Amino acid sequence: DTEVTQTPKHLVMGMTNKKSLKCEQHMGHRAMYWYKQKAKKPPELMFVYSYEKLSINESVPSRFSPECPNSSLLNLHLHALQPEDSALYLCASSQTGSNQPQHFGDGTRLSIL
Amino acid sequence: RKEVEQDPGPFNVPEGATVAFNCTYSNSASQSFFWYRQDCRKEPKLLMSVYSSGNEDGRFTAQLNRASQYISLLIRDSKLSDSATYLCVVSDPGTYKYIFGTGTRLKVLA
Repeated sequence: DTEVTQTPKHLVMGMTNKKSLKCEQHMGHRAMYWYKQKAKKPPELMFVYSYEKLSINESVPSRFSPECPNSSLLNLHLHALQPEDSALYLCASSQTGSNQPQHFGDGTRLSIL
Repeated sequence: RKEVEQDPGPFNVPEGATVAFNCTYSNSASQSFFWYRQDCRKEPKLLMSVYSSGNEDGRFTAQLNRASQYISLLIRDSKLSDSATYLCVVSDPGTYKYIFGTGTRLKVLA
């Protein structure tokens, strides 16, 4: 069982909808991540939060808006997505400091109609 | 040169075989190295961290060669259940980023 929980598991939305992806961890990790993964490709980093502050934005379009309400929660707000945004969205967390691996949630499979 | 490079495979091996994957990285300052396993349509799962002295976990052995900037993963006595994509991950020094290789697909055949 994963210690990083993501909801929903699946999401189908239209291009005009607004939805949010949620991620929660209770391992005391202070770094949290959003990744996007397309089929047969490695995960692609979108955002990193460290100590609840956005530390990395990999030039992600503004239709994706991250939020870190507290040290256990990470959200990804979606608005006006495009069909090419259909992918598996993975949340991960890690301890800060060197030699600390990331732990992944089981992802939200997103389909944009 | 890509930051982290892996042979995409697929590696098709019979059950019981020994198989090895290599992964090269470009930043000599990188400090942390990991192997993840990812099954089709699932999340990556940590297989093992890779330490300077090398480390072993059951049938899996990981090695780090800093001079040549590569890490390796050896799987002994392959099982059908080892079929997956193996992702090499290297930390980006001074940031919170982890750089992923493209992954190596392994198929263990009965």
